[in-house]
Amino acid sequence: EAAVTQSPRNKVTVTGGNVTLSCRQTNSHNYMYWYRQDTGHGLRLIHYSYGAGNLQIGDVPDGYKATRTTQEDFFLLLELASPSQTSLYFCASSDAGGRQAPLFGEGTRLSVL
Amino acid sequence: QQKVQQSPESLIVPEGGMASLNCTFSDRNSQYFWWYRQHSGEGPKALMSIFSNGDKKEGRFTAHLNKASLYVSLHIKDSQPSDSALYFCAVGTGGYKVVFGSGTRLLVSP
Repeated sequence: EAAVTQSPRNKVTVTGGNVTLSCRQTNSHNYMYWYRQDTGHGLRLIHYSYGAGNLQIGDVPDGYKATRTTQEDFFLLLELASPSQTSLYFCASSDAGGRQAPLFGEGTRLSVL
Repeated sequence: QQKVQQSPESLIVPEGGMASLNCTFSDRNSQYFWWYRQHSGEGPKALMSIFSNGDKKEGRFTAHLNKASLYVSLHIKDSQPSDSALYFCAVGTGGYKVVFGSGTRLLVSP
């Protein structure tokens, strides 16, 4: 069964801290995405990738780095976390980019104190 | 840059009633449209797709697309309390990414 698994599910850090959010998909999809979800803003694209070693900038990239180490694994890095990055983060994968509905993970809730 | 806007922000309908959700988009090259549903504590899940102008019915759910008017909608007939959720409109142009609207929160009151 197609799946996208995120870890951790919940994370609390302090301002200035380093955080890494992990995502693994077992769907053999080429495209992977990181979104953040905030009330009133919906789902906003942070970074995405269409293959191992590839990285594309999304619509709200400031303060975030990402790395795609394999076809399965996509990481989101917050190197100097700020309270404005408190949010619900979702990873998604797709086999056909903008021509296919992305499949989402269950999300990571991040709080930056 | 693609703009996807949804209305209303929130909606309350009685059990058994009809819920109507609206979505407009800005890029006339848009070709792929989906409705997603997200229950509390879960990730968004694709509910249905529509790619051609007109209506598409799946059970109690009907999606409508009018590309010339840059408009897509979702109608839920005989709404159930289990339909209470956050609904997203999602639009693809065939490139690398899908753009989501800000969502409509639906509450179906028993």
